[in-house]
Amino acid sequence: GAGVSQSPSNKVTEKGKDVELRCDPISGHTALYWYRQSLGQGLEFLIYFQGNSAPDKSGLPSDRFSAERTGGSVSTLTIQRTQQEDSAVYLCASSQVPGPYGYTFGSGTRLTVV
Amino acid sequence: GENVEQHPSTLSVQEGDSAVIKCTYSDSASNYFPWYKQELGKGPQLIIDIRSNVGEKKDQRIAVTLNKTAKHFSLHITETQPEDSAVYFCAAMTGNTPLVFGKGTRLSVIA
Repeated sequence: GAGVSQSPSNKVTEKGKDVELRCDPISGHTALYWYRQSLGQGLEFLIYFQGNSAPDKSGLPSDRFSAERTGGSVSTLTIQRTQQEDSAVYLCASSQVPGPYGYTFGSGTRLTVV
Repeated sequence: GENVEQHPSTLSVQEGDSAVIKCTYSDSASNYFPWYKQELGKGPQLIIDIRSNVGEKKDQRIAVTLNKTAKHFSLHITETQPEDSAVYFCAAMTGNTPLVFGKGTRLSVIA
């Protein structure tokens, strides 16, 4: 596609429920990144994919967080048993290849846990 | 790992004046330094970047400078306009590792 697409744009969920966030990167981009942006904060790295593999999962906050990428394209970030502190904007970005190249970000998914 | 500090956290300037945002990084091996602009409700957008073999880069009203010795880089916006109002993020990358971002600067341009 022309840009990075994320869905849903907004998600309100009850504490304890599971949520899935989707990212559709730019066609042909092999690298895909997930970041989290809490209110008034910077971008916190979560995980990145090179193709379908995740070389770096170091940023995932807990084992309630997981992500996968299939077909070298769409990625889903799953948060199990959501907590109020999970409330944030989850941003996805892609780049042609890993390395010193600009990322293209999607508009994000705003997650609110009530 | 890399740590990026960004200052100031908020900045207000009069329309037409210049704005400067500064960042420092900790890893001397970092080799790529992009700047992103984030408008309300949108994802960050790349506005300019610089690599470690270059000291300065300009693109119309924006410029970035890099001082590798001091591990310091800055964004300069001249002749600011109301549409420059946004949150700006600096970032640094070492090799092929994911970008590490600063905490952002909220720029307000007052007409």
